[in-house]
Amino acid sequence: ILNVEQSPQSLHVQEGDSTNFTCSFPSSNFYALHWYRWETAKSPEALFVMTLNGDEKKKGRISATLNTKEGYSYLYIKGSQPEDSATYLCAFWDNNDMRFGAGTRLTVKP
Amino acid sequence: DGGITQSPKYLFRKEGQNVTLSCEQNLNHDAMYWYRQDPGQGLRLIYYSQIVNDFQKGDIAEGYSVSREKKESFPLTVTSAQKNPTAFYLCASSIVGTGNYGYTFGSGTRLTVV
Repeated sequence: ILNVEQSPQSLHVQEGDSTNFTCSFPSSNFYALHWYRWETAKSPEALFVMTLNGDEKKKGRISATLNTKEGYSYLYIKGSQPEDSATYLCAFWDNNDMRFGAGTRLTVKP
Repeated sequence: DGGITQSPKYLFRKEGQNVTLSCEQNLNHDAMYWYRQDPGQGLRLIYYSQIVNDFQKGDIAEGYSVSREKKESFPLTVTSAQKNPTAFYLCASSIVGTGNYGYTFGSGTRLTVV
């Protein structure tokens, strides 16, 4: 079973702070890395799909980078807002299905 | 609007009972998946199906069963053989056979054994 590790497990920041978290995955046989945002009482929502080493993706204040050679991806949130509070999941595509990390739970205090 | 519907949202099961969780999608996706979440852990794959009338075991299939008689539907039965069924269950669907597209998730079912 491939391990996908996310850190930190949880994070508390003040509104306006910028923050980032890490996803580590097996660097061999890489195909795709996904980021999801999961708000409480809602369904996980796809943020980014990343497939190429050096990929950078951006959606509003959220961006992500990918390093397939060393097996990690960073998710950045610039100027965090309370509505950014959610669990952020990364997932590694393993041929037939997705392998998920345990997530980073972000809380943004007003 | 297209999406995935899971029902019920909350389910209580007595010891020794089988229960079935429903998952329906109208996205015309070929692949469907069932995941289980326990506190502090990542989503773990129970079963997946890439085509009607075919499905594969995931990492934690013991004590569970599924069927895929229609493209739109992928129900999960939690049998009495599942020793620790209390958990949050998520259903997902995707375009089959590729990691280039993300999953679409349902809103989950929380199962509690009483």
